[in-house]
Amino acid sequence: EAGVAQSPRYKIIEKRQSVAFWCNPISGHATLYWYQQILGQGPKLLIQFQNNGVVDDSQLPKDRFSAERLKGVDSTLKIQPAKLEDSAVYLCASSLVGDYGYTFGSGTRLTVV
Amino acid sequence: AQSVTQLGSHVSVSEGALVLLRCNYSSSVPPYLFWYVQYPNQGLQLLLKYTSAATLVKGINGFEAEFKKSETSFHLTKPSAHMSDAAEYFCAVNHAGGTSYGKLTFGQGTILTVHP
Repeated sequence: EAGVAQSPRYKIIEKRQSVAFWCNPISGHATLYWYQQILGQGPKLLIQFQNNGVVDDSQLPKDRFSAERLKGVDSTLKIQPAKLEDSAVYLCASSLVGDYGYTFGSGTRLTVV
Repeated sequence: AQSVTQLGSHVSVSEGALVLLRCNYSSSVPPYLFWYVQYPNQGLQLLLKYTSAATLVKGINGFEAEFKKSETSFHLTKPSAHMSDAAEYFCAVNHAGGTSYGKLTFGQGTILTVHP
């Protein structure tokens, strides 16, 4: 089966600019996650969707980050405006409902200068 | 709240030697535990998972881990290291209940270096 697709792979922007990341999960996976991985740290959950509803966004900095999941399939994560500390790898993952241990995409590496 | 501590941010072994990566967890409910591997510029790949069945779990690439409730540990081992095992390894615990169902909390990671 095809894996979790993410684009772009790399992005460099200046602080205060906006950026968007796209994720296409594995077909049939109702649950979708966005994680932020800062260099030298483990991934941290930003937001969890089940179908097109938000399950958990308690760690999402809502003043600058937003995410949506269109029709319960693809998802977009946006940052506006970006700060230097947003430099990280943004990982998307998906799973079947109730599955433990999900599949990650290759990530988008964001550098804010 | 669940948390994971990985002991040792860097581990170095010789090719053919035993690999031991340490992970201790804290959880208020019976945990589900995972090990992931991350190669440079790639996403995370699931190595193995413990979901309350057998306490000794076998994964891909010859890795295994043992769940020890009395020690709150889930250490990852491999009898003989290979050069291709060089990567970063993450231990994670799953929030198997409540509104955070499915959420993984990761440790800080352990970078494994394998010397010829």
